[in-house]
Amino acid sequence: AQKVTQAQTEISVVEKEDVTLDCVYETRDTTYYLFWYKQPPSGELVFLIRRNSFDEQNEISGRYSWNFQKSTSSFNFTITASQVVDSAVYFCALSEGTGGSYIPTFGRGTSLIVHP
Amino acid sequence: DVKVTQSSRYLVKRTGEKVFLECVQDMDHENMFWYRQDPGLGLRLIYFSYDVKMKEKGDIPEGYSVSREKKERFSLILESASTNQTSMYLCASRLAQGDYSNQPQHFGDGTRLSIL
Repeated sequence: AQKVTQAQTEISVVEKEDVTLDCVYETRDTTYYLFWYKQPPSGELVFLIRRNSFDEQNEISGRYSWNFQKSTSSFNFTITASQVVDSAVYFCALSEGTGGSYIPTFGRGTSLIVHP
Repeated sequence: DVKVTQSSRYLVKRTGEKVFLECVQDMDHENMFWYRQDPGLGLRLIYFSYDVKMKEKGDIPEGYSVSREKKERFSLILESASTNQTSMYLCASRLAQGDYSNQPQHFGDGTRLSIL
């Protein structure tokens, strides 16, 4: 069965600090997909990134970067020079590919609070 | 852009009432989901629909039912509302194309339901 663990329940930082949100996953499937979503106070989850199991290249998008490591089953998310607008709950999710469960499994989320 | 619309942002109902939560998506997505979100528990799947008139129980279906008569609309029904169903309810849709587990979900703004 697939599982996603976000061990950090809440992280509090001061603006301009760098912060990393951890995501560890478990799956028996060789083909799977990992996602990060952001949920601002307004409530709607917004898709940030998808990574498939065959692509371990790290990705950078502005102040956001993602580090995918199959050896440690982790898909961590780093925000550089955090801003107040980054305050949100962040969810990591896993979907298995063909032969596995098509229904995504979510971690419990990490609440990020960025203080001015 | 995909738009997922939930009928109410806030809803207050009484114990024992039959409650309908409506979700409409405008992108012809085959898959639709209902989740509830509670502090510390993350997102928990209530029901999932692969396509019209198809449904599958999620992790916590007890006390809920669903209806998918048209592709764009997925309704969640609380047959006899109870106070432990007070929660945030999130609807999502997803395109089912190829290995559709690689498709991101698109979420509505959520309905904050209070049962008194």
